[in-house]
Amino acid sequence: DTGVSQNPRHKITKRGQNVTFRCDPISEHNRLYWYRQTLGQGPEFLTYFQNEAQLEKSRLLSDRFSAERPKGSFSTLEIQRTEQGDSAMYLCASSKPGDIRGGYTFGSGTRLTVV
Amino acid sequence: AQTVTQSQPEMSVQEAETVTLSCTYDTSENNYYLFWYKQPPSRQMILVIRQEAYKQQNATENRFSVNFQKAAKSFSLKISDSQLGDTAMYFCAFMKHYGGSQGNLIFGKGTKLSVKP
Repeated sequence: DTGVSQNPRHKITKRGQNVTFRCDPISEHNRLYWYRQTLGQGPEFLTYFQNEAQLEKSRLLSDRFSAERPKGSFSTLEIQRTEQGDSAMYLCASSKPGDIRGGYTFGSGTRLTVV
Repeated sequence: AQTVTQSQPEMSVQEAETVTLSCTYDTSENNYYLFWYKQPPSRQMILVIRQEAYKQQNATENRFSVNFQKAAKSFSLKISDSQLGDTAMYFCAFMKHYGGSQGNLIFGKGTKLSVKP
């Protein structure tokens, strides 16, 4: 297992289009997190899964955003009707339960540019 | 709500010298964790060091050490013998500790560190 994998690495889309990102966590990690990072800012929490259950969503996750984690494996994050303000780096991270000492393992992120 | 503040947007240091990055946080929680993450240019974020709030002893990982002042809600990172590969964004992060469960990370805005040859 080589870590948390995110695809695509870069995505350029026109305003109003839908986009979907994928995250493959480390196989034994049952927790999966999505964060958004805009230029010059630290990452901001979007949502979190434990296995297939979505346990928490941030206020940042508007109705245009939806995340899924079918079967508790990979996760997808979809943004509908993209807006220029959605341009950001979308980070995925995973962790084992109770492994607070290990922190998260982050993926390399998907950079979204909405034109 | 918890907040994390990094007051130094950018810092630079000469190779082999020591640099300290500042971080303060605000919380009413008693049990929590603090982290420093490193994000090199165009590369993924990696954990540098962590500190459990209930531990008085400051954490150390090789050239990286922290100065944790719980009463002052301060958590600074010291990098000794700086290397060119230390050039990166450094983020301070806070996490509540819900019993045995992990909470969500709250990040500061980051400090851009440049190590000069």
